[in-house]
Amino acid sequence: KAGVTQTPRYLIKTRGQQVTLSCSPISGHRSVSWYQQTPGQGLQFLFEYFSETQRNKGNFPGRFSGRQFSNSRSEMNVSTLELGDSALYLCASTPSGSYNEQFFGPGTRLTVL
Amino acid sequence: AQKVTQAQTEISVVEKEDVTLDCVYETRDTTYYLFWYKQPPSGELVFLIRRNSFDEQNEISGRYSWNFQKSTSSFNFTITASQVVDSAVYFCALSEAGTGTASKLTFGTGTRLQVTL
Repeated sequence: KAGVTQTPRYLIKTRGQQVTLSCSPISGHRSVSWYQQTPGQGLQFLFEYFSETQRNKGNFPGRFSGRQFSNSRSEMNVSTLELGDSALYLCASTPSGSYNEQFFGPGTRLTVL
Repeated sequence: AQKVTQAQTEISVVEKEDVTLDCVYETRDTTYYLFWYKQPPSGELVFLIRRNSFDEQNEISGRYSWNFQKSTSSFNFTITASQVVDSAVYFCALSEAGTGTASKLTFGTGTRLQVTL
């Protein structure tokens, strides 16, 4: 069974631009969560999608948004990029999100210049 | 609010030594789940274990063992006879039933384990 895949793996953007990251969960998994990892703040929960609906949201500004498609693939978007958005963005999937372990992808490393 | 504390920022051991990684959590929920993840240099988080709040039995998996004590709100992880391949950052995480979904993990700051020959 293929694992969680994330594209692209690396991305360089400049301040003010916007970016879209993609995540394909493990086949059959319907819940997709996103996390941001930075040296200063550590791993922080962004949001979770289940059956195309946002089911939970972390404490991030509205510049961070996401969506989920009918095939469970998910995208997250960051608009008006700031230097502080430079981070490793991790996506995780679970069958239903019901207290099961989350399987993480390799992440997308975003650098904002 | 929930919180996970991993007081050990970095630990260095020589191969074959035993090492314990500490994790202390805070939560007001009576139903919650605790996790340990490993993050090797490649960056991908690897699931190691999940434990629910009603199961305080310790668990052993090969060289890995976990000690869950509700009385001290701790969920410590021990690696016996450490190996170089164990070098990684280890994260403890908490998920509360009150958040409506277990997918919202609150992570500790991680402990970097360096195992040398």
